[in-house]
Amino acid sequence: DGGITQSPKYLFRKEGQNVTLSCEQNLNHDAMYWYRQDPGQGLRLIYYSQIVNDFQKGDIAEGYSVSREKKESFPLTVTSAQKNPTAFYLCASTPGGRGFGEQFFGPGTRLTVL
Amino acid sequence: SQQGEEDPQALSIQEGENATMNCSYKTSINNLQWYRQNSGRGLVHLILIRSNEREKHSGRLRVTLDTSKKSSSLLITASRAADTASYFCATGEEYNTDKLIFGTGTRLQVFP
Repeated sequence: DGGITQSPKYLFRKEGQNVTLSCEQNLNHDAMYWYRQDPGQGLRLIYYSQIVNDFQKGDIAEGYSVSREKKESFPLTVTSAQKNPTAFYLCASTPGGRGFGEQFFGPGTRLTVL
Repeated sequence: SQQGEEDPQALSIQEGENATMNCSYKTSINNLQWYRQNSGRGLVHLILIRSNEREKHSGRLRVTLDTSKKSSSLLITASRAADTASYFCATGEEYNTDKLIFGTGTRLQVFP
C-alpha cells in the first residue's frame, strides 16, 4: 500500500516535555510538509522540506523543529518552547519539489498537553 | 498566513439537495484546489483548477474560478449523507510555488 503514515494517532505530553511525531511516506515524493490544525480552523504550515537534508520554516515554526535525513521520513519535534501545542498535526507530501500541486495527507496525530 | 476565506462556515442540507461553498483569496494564483476532511482524519484532494481555467467537473463536483473576483465555488450536486465533512480551498500562489495556503473551511452536514 502506497501512502503516508503518521504515528502515533494520539499523543499525550506533560508540560515541559519534548515529543516527536513521526511521518513516513512510500510514495517517493520529494517534498514533505507539516501542518497544525486547531478546532474549527484551517491548516497552518509549520515546516516544509523540498529535498533531503534541507527544510524551511513555515508560518508558525516557533517551538517546533524538524529533520529530513531520509527522503521517506520527516519527523516533527514539538519542543517545550511551544506555548500551546495541543492541536491536530497533519503531514503531507507532493511529488517533485513544488508545493503548489496536489498534496497527499497522512491521517494525523492528535497531541494533547496535560 | 491564511489567505482563503470560505463561506459559509457551516452548511446543513437534506440528501439530494445541492451544496455550494465559496472561497475568496487575496493574491495572484497559479491554481486553486479543494480538499475534503472527514472528522478527525487527514485531508483528501478533490479537484484542482488552474488560473487559466474557469470551470472544472469531477463526478458530482463542479468547481468554478473567477480570477477577476479572486473567488471560487465548489458545487456538490445530489448530496449524500456520506458527503458530510469539512471542505477546504487551498491556493498555490503565482510567485511562491513552495506551498499551499489553506482556507478556514466549510463544515457540511447532509441529513438523510
